[in-house]
Amino acid sequence: GDSVTQMEGPVTLSEEAFLTINCTYTATGYPSLFWYVQYPGEGLQLLLKATKADDKGSNKGFEATYRKETTSFHLEKGSVQVSDSAVYFCALSDSNTNAGKSTFGDGTTLTVKP
Amino acid sequence: KAGVTQTPRYLIKTRGQQVTLSCSPISGHRSVSWYQQTPGQGLQFLFEYFSETQRNKGNFPGRFSGRQFSNSRSEMNVSTLELGDSALYLCASSLPSGGGYEQYFGPGTRLTVT
Repeated sequence: GDSVTQMEGPVTLSEEAFLTINCTYTATGYPSLFWYVQYPGEGLQLLLKATKADDKGSNKGFEATYRKETTSFHLEKGSVQVSDSAVYFCALSDSNTNAGKSTFGDGTTLTVKP
Repeated sequence: KAGVTQTPRYLIKTRGQQVTLSCSPISGHRSVSWYQQTPGQGLQFLFEYFSETQRNKGNFPGRFSGRQFSNSRSEMNVSTLELGDSALYLCASSLPSGGGYEQYFGPGTRLTVT
């Protein structure tokens, strides 16, 4: 079945540091890939997405590129802020097999210190 | 556009009782999915409804059930509550996006079973 593996956390960075959160996936079809963010006490928010190989998703300074050859979708940001502290989830959705069902990684907790 | 709404936000129930949670999707979204989020198990898919029909189901016991109404609003029911059912229950409404589904989450219902 489909699966998503994220780098283990927690991750603690100083403000303005470079962020990378690794994500690899296994899927039977040709999935869309997503990064979601969850702030304390809230639901998940879509951060960015990519729907086919070599697509780059970007939003709020975050970027991730859909790499089919390495089955990866690593999240990056050049300069993190304290307000980026949250839990980040990598996810995939494959309409060929499980429309409306997303498979999530375990989440990576990011803490940014001033 | 109004986001996904879930009611109630917090619930405290006693073991053996039953509970009903409600979710109103974003206007125009016909797919509604439910997830259980716990610290130990992460995000686990419960089921998905599309046009009043259950289209996908996760690996949860029959005590967990759901339904969707003609206006796309959805409810999930848990009968004979167990302590292990304590969790954040997230509802998401979905739009097709490339090869998969982009999901929009509500704030969740925090269920505590005592």
